[in-house]
Amino acid sequence: DQQVKQNSPSLSVQEGRISILNCDYTNSMFDYFLWYKKYPAEGPTFLISISSIKDKNEDGRFTVFLNKSAKHLSLHIVPSQPGDSAVYFCAASERNAGGTSYGKLTFGQGTILTVHP
Amino acid sequence: DAGVTQSPTHLIKTRGQHVTLRCSPISGHKSVSWYQQVLGQGPQFIFQYYEKEERGRGNFPDRFSARQFPNYSSELNVNALLLGDSALYLCASSLGTGGEKQYFGPGTRLTVT
Repeated sequence: DQQVKQNSPSLSVQEGRISILNCDYTNSMFDYFLWYKKYPAEGPTFLISISSIKDKNEDGRFTVFLNKSAKHLSLHIVPSQPGDSAVYFCAASERNAGGTSYGKLTFGQGTILTVHP
Repeated sequence: DAGVTQSPTHLIKTRGQHVTLRCSPISGHKSVSWYQQVLGQGPQFIFQYYEKEERGRGNFPDRFSARQFPNYSSELNVNALLLGDSALYLCASSLGTGGEKQYFGPGTRLTVT
C-alpha cells in the first residue's frame, strides 16, 4: 500500500521556467511533509518542509504548497536551474495518539527532474 | 561540522552471508534511522533508534537488526543475505525523536551475489 505517491516519474523543464513537482498521500495521520533532492551516489538532501497547520512555506526559489483536503502537496521551483536536475522525493511523517512524532519517514517513488539550459 | 557518515561505501556479499553496516550521526543528534532504497523506488524505513532504544521498526524480516551505541552511532546487521537485499542502505540522523527533518548519509551500496 503506497501511502505517498509521486505519479510523475519524470519532468523536463527549460532553464528559467517553473518546475512543479506533485505528491499525493492517503494517510490522514501524516502531519509533517518534507521534500528531498537526491543526486546519484549521494544521500537525499533536505530541501524544504511544511507542517500540516500551514498551507504554504517558502525558502528562496523553493515553495511547498499543502492542500490537506485533497491530501496533495506540491513543490514549486522558480526559476529552475540546470543544477536542480536530480531526483526529488516527497516524504511524510506522523504522530501517534500521544503526540510523539515517529522517526519514520514514508517516501514517494521519486520524480526525476531535468532542467535543460 | 561533519555530516552523517556511513561505512563502508560499497560492499559485495554472497547469499547466506552476514553483513554489518555502520553509521555515525551528526554531532549532537540522538536519533538514527535506517532506510533501504532499491532502484527506482523511494527509501523504505527499516528502524529508528533514539537514545539507544528502538523506537520504530518497518516491515522487514527478523534477519534485519540494529543497535545504537552510547556515542549514538549505530549498526545495521543483516543475516542470511538474499539476492533481494541488494540495495542502497541509508542512515539518517535528527536532533529529536525523528519525525522532523532528518539528515541523510551517503549510503552503503550492498550487492548480494
